[in-house]
Amino acid sequence: DQQVKQNSPSLSVQEGRISILNCDYTNSMFDYFLWYKKYPAEGPTFLISISSIKDKNEDGRFTVFLNKSAKHLSLHIVPSQPGDSAVYFCAAIGHAGKSTFGDGTTLTVKP
Amino acid sequence: DAGVIQSPRHEVTEMGQEVTLRCKPISGHDYLFWYRQTMMRGLELLIYFNNNVPIDDSGMPEDRFSAKMPNASFSTLKIQPSEPRDSAVYFCASSQLSSTDTQYFGPGTRLTVL
Repeated sequence: DQQVKQNSPSLSVQEGRISILNCDYTNSMFDYFLWYKKYPAEGPTFLISISSIKDKNEDGRFTVFLNKSAKHLSLHIVPSQPGDSAVYFCAAIGHAGKSTFGDGTTLTVKP
Repeated sequence: DAGVIQSPRHEVTEMGQEVTLRCKPISGHDYLFWYRQTMMRGLELLIYFNNNVPIDDSGMPEDRFSAKMPNASFSTLKIQPSEPRDSAVYFCASSQLSSTDTQYFGPGTRLTVL
């Protein structure tokens, strides 16, 4: 059973518009969530995180929202830039410290 | 700091051979993680260490896989014997203070088992 799901394998947006990437989870014991960005032939790089005691965290163009009742988090990128084109993974960490990743969403930002 | 270093970057081997992947974490990081990425299963955690001690190896697929961390600056992931279904990209990552701390990933090792 996949505990972290990114239901959209791909997303395409126009430069300057908002990108919204979604992630759903099933385990209510997760207490920390992260987003990573991955370019081809590179390892994932950390983007932004949020603790389960918060519902929003913002860092420049990136904002992560957490809806615990819906077990849903989203990453907003505004404005989107062509350099944001990459695969985005959400990850959840439980009390045991084990990370569980979603399958990723490929974002393409068109100039 | 050079970041997490993995070697080799690419490995092509034949079924049945032993494969050893290597990782050097960022200096001062107490946690080290091994991940595998495949098209079918995405990015999955295989095992992670804290202060060189394996904490959770529940993601290790089977006994053919083993991981060691003999000291704070080196870890290996060994597959013996290798099988074609082991073909994947293997990532090593490290974090400083806890398993919830930001993980810094290496560039990965692309393994192809023929």
